[in-house]
Amino acid sequence: DAKTTQPPSMDCAEGRAANLPCNHSTISGNEYVYWYRQIHSQGPQYIIHGLKNNETNEMASLIITEDRKSSTLILPHATLRDTAVYYCIVRVGGGSEKLVFGKGTKLTVNP
Amino acid sequence: NAGVTQTPKFQVLKTGQSMTLQCAQDMNHEYMSWYRQDPGMGLRLIHYSVGAGITDQGEVPNGYNVSRSTTEDFPLRLLSAAPSQTSVYFCASSYSKFSVGKEQYFGPGTRLTVT
Repeated sequence: DAKTTQPPSMDCAEGRAANLPCNHSTISGNEYVYWYRQIHSQGPQYIIHGLKNNETNEMASLIITEDRKSSTLILPHATLRDTAVYYCIVRVGGGSEKLVFGKGTKLTVNP
Repeated sequence: NAGVTQTPKFQVLKTGQSMTLQCAQDMNHEYMSWYRQDPGMGLRLIHYSVGAGITDQGEVPNGYNVSRSTTEDFPLRLLSAAPSQTSVYFCASSYSKFSVGKEQYFGPGTRLTVT
């Protein structure tokens, strides 16, 4: 599975959009981009995933560049409860469920 | 559904003791896995199973054994605990190895301290 690069930490004001970047320059054509988050001391929680197209669900939006070498997770209206470590993971779909976690980005939402 | 459950939530062991961390899921998921998380680091895969009777090693398997006799349960065994195994352990499950795009569900974790 391809490796990812994320900034170690970011800050965001409550109510504003949080944009979390991820670089995955060695991603293969059959690898998906997944985002999970981990709120302090809890198990990771799935947020969203995508292959080529931009995706949106009730939690977030995922923007993938046309060359698929980077992506951005967008939390449209961040709340204090969104303070967490966010992990960007790329993996092959349909053949392996193994998730390789990096150190992620610690997002702090400030009042 | 209870989702993914783990017991115990906390455990203190002495070096050399053995114990089993329990993990169960009631979602009929085929895939289950164990991760450990050390301070300031992401999760690292210990062992995983793609179905009952099938297990395989992950990134950091040494010192741990697993078995998968049923779809629901995936216990993790520490045969002789060492201080280096002090960590938080997470169990996860997902529907199928062939289910493209299916997310993994994680348990609440077991915090293990080995003295």
